[in-house]
Amino acid sequence: GAVVSQHPSWVICKSGTSVKIECRSLDFQATTMFWYRQFPKQSLMLMATSNEGSKATYEQGVEKDKFLINHASLTLSTLTVTSAHPEDSSFYICSARVWGGSNQPQHFGDGTRLSIL
Amino acid sequence: ELKVEQNPLFLSMQEGKNYTIYCNYSTTSDRLYWYRQDPGKSLESLFVLLSNGAVKQEGRLMASLDTKARLSTLHITAAVHDLSATYFCAVDIRYTGNQFYFGTGTSLTVIP
Repeated sequence: GAVVSQHPSWVICKSGTSVKIECRSLDFQATTMFWYRQFPKQSLMLMATSNEGSKATYEQGVEKDKFLINHASLTLSTLTVTSAHPEDSSFYICSARVWGGSNQPQHFGDGTRLSIL
Repeated sequence: ELKVEQNPLFLSMQEGKNYTIYCNYSTTSDRLYWYRQDPGKSLESLFVLLSNGAVKQEGRLMASLDTKARLSTLHITAAVHDLSATYFCAVDIRYTGNQFYFGTGTSLTVIP
């Protein structure tokens, strides 16, 4: 089945640091990947849609200069949290759909737990 | 504004009992998905419902979709402890470009 790998799984860093999270589709190509944020005991909130070879589409209220997204290939999207602060601490999850599989569910990575001290 | 609401938000039930989780959404969609999330983990796909009247069953879980009522249900039969998790429904709105909008989630605890 379709596998999405996310790295790292857990990162703790000091305030002001930039943190990069990788999302890879291991056995399929994904022209579109999605980035979500989930606070404790809350649902997933879509942050942005990452499009291969073009700019990401950000949801309302998400700062594009804060959360940099790069989708350089059909199997890799990266999310960089720039100058992270404690309020950015959250569980970040990426997902991808099999290319051309619009009726298929999104396949989710294992998530990255980000803790900013 | 699109809303995807689940009911109940929290559910504690004894093993062997039945219960139904409801997912209401506020706009037209004919694609709905159910996911399971264990604590500290990502999401596991449970069901894909693609048409009005769709019904899918896997083990003790059964999901259905009524697109006219904008309602999906996830029915639990004879619950067991292993079903304890948080369950999310997600609605796929085509015109937004393949994005998912998640429900509020239902945290289920099955008590032995």
